[in-house]
Amino acid sequence: GAGVSQSPSNKVTEKGKDVELRCDPISGHTALYWYRQSLGQGLEFLIYFQGNSAPDKSGLPSDRFSAERTGGSVSTLTIQRTQQEDSAVYLCASSLVSAGTQYFGPGTRLLVL
Amino acid sequence: DQQVKQNSPSLSVQEGRISILNCDYTNSMFDYFLWYKKYPAEGPTFLISISSIKDKNEDGRFTVFLNKSAKHLSLHIVPSQPGDSAVYFCAALLTSGTYKYIFGTGTRLKVLA
Repeated sequence: GAGVSQSPSNKVTEKGKDVELRCDPISGHTALYWYRQSLGQGLEFLIYFQGNSAPDKSGLPSDRFSAERTGGSVSTLTIQRTQQEDSAVYLCASSLVSAGTQYFGPGTRLLVL
Repeated sequence: DQQVKQNSPSLSVQEGRISILNCDYTNSMFDYFLWYKKYPAEGPTFLISISSIKDKNEDGRFTVFLNKSAKHLSLHIVPSQPGDSAVYFCAALLTSGTYKYIFGTGTRLKVLA
């Protein structure tokens, strides 16, 4: 069956531009998570969705970051006015239920020049 | 404030020997601990977990030990195989008021043939 997919796989953008990253979770998975992995760092929690609502947005680094999930399925992470420090791999994971086994996508590698 | 720490960035082990990966945490409220394995250019994959009320969980060649008094867990792989070479992330799960995974920075394991 299909796993978690993310698009684009790579994104190069100029400082100040907005970017949208997409995550397609496994069908039927109610929980969805976004993480960021900067070079040499661990996975940094950004936001967690249960269905379409986000009970925990505490990891979003600034108000330039936002995320939404529609139809209990696809999620987009938007970064406005990108900065060089936003360069990282952005990972999405989904699980059947909250606290269930997380399945990760391959990530989107973002480079802000 | 790094709540989950993996102090060894890398580890090399001879094939057939035991690999021991360590993880320390600071928050006594974590409910579950998990280990993930990550190959380059792929998302992490779940390996094994342990509830905070247990002290050992075993799955084939993989065993996780939890020492709550020391706030320490370890992953043992025996016998180690070259295919085990990857980055291993320790993660802890908070389920009180949220479902939030906190990841360590990872340990790169290299199993030498």
